[in-house]
Amino acid sequence: DVKVTQSSRYLVKRTGEKVFLECVQDMDHENMFWYRQDPGLGLRLIYFSYDVKMKEKGDIPEGYSVSREKKERFSLILESASTNQTSMYLCASFSGRPQNIQYFGAGTRLSVL
Amino acid sequence: GNSVTQMEGPVTLSEEAFLTINCTYTATGYPSLFWYVQYPGEGLQLLLKATKADDKGSNKGFEATYRKETTSFHLEKGSVQVSDSAVYFCALVPPSNTGKLIFGQGTTLQVKP
Repeated sequence: DVKVTQSSRYLVKRTGEKVFLECVQDMDHENMFWYRQDPGLGLRLIYFSYDVKMKEKGDIPEGYSVSREKKERFSLILESASTNQTSMYLCASFSGRPQNIQYFGAGTRLSVL
Repeated sequence: GNSVTQMEGPVTLSEEAFLTINCTYTATGYPSLFWYVQYPGEGLQLLLKATKADDKGSNKGFEATYRKETTSFHLEKGSVQVSDSAVYFCALVPPSNTGKLIFGQGTTLQVKP
């Protein structure tokens, strides 16, 4: 079974803090993704990575950056957390052909106070 | 561009009722189509998928058929259970196959005993 592990289920941070959300997958997938999920807005893509050190902006990259130093690990960074970044964050990795399946982690619920 | 439209929720049903959640899509070429499910407090899990026209995906009593002529992928279940209460997301992966999922807004299903 593919396993996508997010390091924290719940986080509480202060405004202005630098926040790291970590995601690890164990299936040697090349493509990995970070989404945020908000009520009424569905899932929105923040960033994705298609290889080590390679990244592309998604639909809402402002206020975020990412790091992919190793294939199995994809980190989302909030450089200076703000209250409007309070959300559920979901990481996923992509199997590629022929399955074409994205596998999701359990999510990190982040509260910025 | 690519997009997915789902019926708005919430959908409230009694146990053993028939379920349909409508999903239509816009895409060039032949995307892969998916239904994901999110149980309360958890990440997304793949429910079923279809990769070409007329394919039927099925899992846990749920079914959906890839209809190219109507650009639809409606989710159905003959007899829902309380444990099916969750948020259901329809999604597509475009033929470019970077793995980027295009999600619908999600439909909340509540099943009452």
